[in-house]
Amino acid sequence: QLQLQESGPGLVKPSETLSLTCTVSGGSIGTSDYYWAWIRQPPGKGLEWIGSSYHSGTTYYKSSLKSRVTISVDTSKNQFSLKLNSVTAADTAMYFCTRHPPYDFWTGSYTVEGSYYFDYWGRGILVTVSS
Amino acid sequence: DIQMTQSPSSLSASIGDRVTITCRASQSISRYLHWYQQKAGKVPKLLIYATSTLQTGVPSRFSGSGSGTEFTLTIDSLQPEDFATYYCQQGYSTPPTFGQGTKVEIK
Repeated sequence: QLQLQESGPGLVKPSETLSLTCTVSGGSIGTSDYYWAWIRQPPGKGLEWIGSSYHSGTTYYKSSLKSRVTISVDTSKNQFSLKLNSVTAADTAMYFCTRHPPYDFWTGSYTVEGSYYFDYWGRGILVTVSS
Repeated sequence: DIQMTQSPSSLSASIGDRVTITCRASQSISRYLHWYQQKAGKVPKLLIYATSTLQTGVPSRFSGSGSGTEFTLTIDSLQPEDFATYYCQQGYSTPPTFGQGTKVEIK
């Protein structure tokens, strides 16, 4: 059974970098055909996709976060990570790691457009931005 | 970005009721619409993908329909474990975006 587990500091100071890791067990990131993604949820609010990364290095980011975010995959450790720099209180949220297939569900073509549905999720980690 | 709007934002229903939640997209998303259930303090759970396909293990009282810009999630005979917040999500284009959620509460 695939499991995802987030880890990292629960408190980050404003202007610093938020760094989280998602450890995957029950499956290999390097050989499984999925994008690995981060989604966040501010307290009491809805869900926001941050970005997705394939083990080849192909990445997609939400445009409003693109200048501050890096998602990378480490196949040797079976982990992927999120770095978000210059954080503010608006980045306070529960951060979930998750995955989605790399192909359009209806056509089967290998394109990220049409591929976004998230079937396995980590438990989430609450990150608070505060001095 | 494609905006997803759910209605209602919340509803009260009784055990055994039939519940319908609507999700509208700001532009056509074909049938790339997915539904999630999130219980309080828990992880979102994929319920239905590609408009109408139930994820493994999801009870058959859940169903989805629609295409283009308008979609519905229906729960037939609401059960105690169904009280939760439901989110729709478009998977048609980058960035994938979610509705604001519909909270289903006990009447």
